[in-house]
Amino acid sequence: GQNIDQPTEMTATEGAIVQINCTYQTSGFNGLFWYQQHAGEAPTFLSYNVLDGLEEKGRFSSFLSRSKGYSYLLLKELQMKDSASYLCAVSDSNYQLIWGAGTKLIIKP
Amino acid sequence: IAGITQAPTSQILAAGRRMTLRCTQDMRHNAMYWYRQDLGLGLRLIHYSNTAGTTGKGEVPDGYSVSRANTDDFPLTLASAVPSQTSVYFCASSSDAGNTGELFFGEGSRLTVL
Repeated sequence: GQNIDQPTEMTATEGAIVQINCTYQTSGFNGLFWYQQHAGEAPTFLSYNVLDGLEEKGRFSSFLSRSKGYSYLLLKELQMKDSASYLCAVSDSNYQLIWGAGTKLIIKP
Repeated sequence: IAGITQAPTSQILAAGRRMTLRCTQDMRHNAMYWYRQDLGLGLRLIHYSNTAGTTGKGEVPDGYSVSRANTDDFPLTLASAVPSQTSVYFCASSSDAGNTGELFFGEGSRLTVL
């Protein structure tokens, strides 16, 4: 079966760095997405990786290793507004999105 | 309106009743999707439409139906609601039907079936 694994919850301190991991087993691969979802709100797009390596976008970076079925989202200089759930999703061989359950990130002062 | 709009934002419904969740987008996106989100689970695709006039079944289509009469609108109907359909429903759209592009989500419709 197809599966996306990410930690359920993580806690980090304001101003610090946090890495949220995502591992996947899917039938084929056509890209990996990260979305941010604040409580009670809609998910919003953060990043898309289709090739191996690191994509940097401001304080957020996303890394992909296709051979390892692994990605991470790196958040630097954490701010209180970064408290949210982070969703990992993979586009499989049929271009269907498979979603992880999300990682709830709690930022403490 | 700008983006993607869902209605209602919240609804309490008696089991057995019929309910339609509305979704409208003004971005002229070809692809539209309905997801449900339940605690502890990833987003699950209910139905999708790659272009006006076509629809397809997702991972959890039973008990739901959709139509896509035009580019902008993609309503989701629960013919006879059951308590297991209590969930938050998100409509989404994308310019790319191949799921290699960004999804734009509506604000969600919280549905409670009693």
